[in-house]
Amino acid sequence: ETGVTQTPRHLVMGMTNKKSLKCEQHLGHNAMYWYKQSAKKPLELMFVYNFKEQTENNSVPSRFSPECPNSSHLFLHLHTLQPEDSALYLCASSQAGLALDTQYFGPGTRLTVL
Amino acid sequence: DQQVKQNSPSLSVQEGRISILNCDYTNSMFDYFLWYKKYPAEGPTFLISISSIKDKNEDGRFTVFLNKSAKHLSLHIVPSQPGDSAVYFCAASANLVSGAGSYQLTFGKGTKLSVIP
Repeated sequence: ETGVTQTPRHLVMGMTNKKSLKCEQHLGHNAMYWYKQSAKKPLELMFVYNFKEQTENNSVPSRFSPECPNSSHLFLHLHTLQPEDSALYLCASSQAGLALDTQYFGPGTRLTVL
Repeated sequence: DQQVKQNSPSLSVQEGRISILNCDYTNSMFDYFLWYKKYPAEGPTFLISISSIKDKNEDGRFTVFLNKSAKHLSLHIVPSQPGDSAVYFCAASANLVSGAGSYQLTFGKGTKLSVIP
């Protein structure tokens, strides 16, 4: 248990569906992240929020829409996804601003797009 | 172009022996390095880290070595145990450059370690 929870753990959706992934951290951190892990590829950073403000968006398609209502919660809204978006989506948090910034990960949501 | 490379996709080691996982990087601005361990169906778990001002950091059975001139780091696990079987990810960031944390970790593809009883 890392203090970062993600729901749902598994999600199957059609290309026309709209769904949301949820992440919650109980570590008192001020930065939260979304990563994508596809098969045989490194973890890819998607979005970064620092103090609820989005500071990074690594060229992610607009069909992925993040939301950070407070420093403990992070959402990833999904709509009109493609089959190649099937992957493990990982949330992480950290106490950004410290000299050494270690990120702690949740268990991930395994997403399958049909 | 991959900035963090783990060239061995898998490694098998006998229980009790040493496991050595290697990682190379190309970005000379990286100054903070981390190793994560990942079991199936779980997220990566932080294992150990090292900043560029050190060349070695030890935590129990785990030691990370950093060779800045070669842009190479390695994770040593000794003695290896069956419970160490997992995928190990190397990650790096240019954390100290901005002075306030860069927030971006660049990961390698991972090395799957199998410890044989």
